Amino acid sequence: QKEVEQNSGPLSVPEGAIASLNCTYSDRGSQSFFWYRQYSGKSPELIMFIYSNGDKEDGRFTAQLNKASQYVSLLIRDSQPSDSATYLCAEGGGGADGLTFGKGTHLIIQP
Amino acid sequence: GAGVSQSPRYKVAKRGQDVALRCDPISGHVSLFWYQQALGQGPEFLTYFQNEAQLDKSGLPSDRFFAERPEGSVSTLKIQRTQQEDSAVYLCATEVGNTIYFGEGSWLTVV
Repeated sequence: QKEVEQNSGPLSVPEGAIASLNCTYSDRGSQSFFWYRQYSGKSPELIMFIYSNGDKEDGRFTAQLNKASQYVSLLIRDSQPSDSATYLCAEGGGGADGLTFGKGTHLIIQP
Repeated sequence: GAGVSQSPRYKVAKRGQDVALRCDPISGHVSLFWYQQALGQGPEFLTYFQNEAQLDKSGLPSDRFFAERPEGSVSTLKIQRTQQEDSAVYLCATEVGNTIYFGEGSWLTVV
């Protein structure tokens, strides 16, 4: 059974600082990884996906993947109060496999 | 996300009542998923359709849960004889490329 582990938090970060969110996964064969943001009372919203080892940057967000360590992270630069949400890490192969999610990390950006 | 509409958005059911949750994706979306998200947890896979074919229903928690997509478009998730542990958000999702996008969710509370 595939597992994705995240620290549930809350993770509290001052406004303007870098927020670092981490995730580990159990299936060494996993190829695709996703970060979703979920505001309270809303459905998950895709932020980024990453398939290759290394870093992938999109605006203030950077996803990092280390397949040897089975570790995925999301960095949020210049954190804003609007970044306060739960961040869900997921892995999946597409098609019928769907996605396996972690429980999410609750991030709080302090003004 | 990706034009997936769900109804009802909110449903309060008395224990033992049957409920039906509807998912209406954009026409032409082949893949359709149902996920269940309990409070404080990540989404958990329930079932997957490719057009009208239900290719995977391994995540349905009991035989009280039933899903269908008879014409390969609208899908319905039915829960019979609801129990309190069925209280959750039920998320419908479609796949675009290798990425899954969620609808707004149907929030079910069983009292």
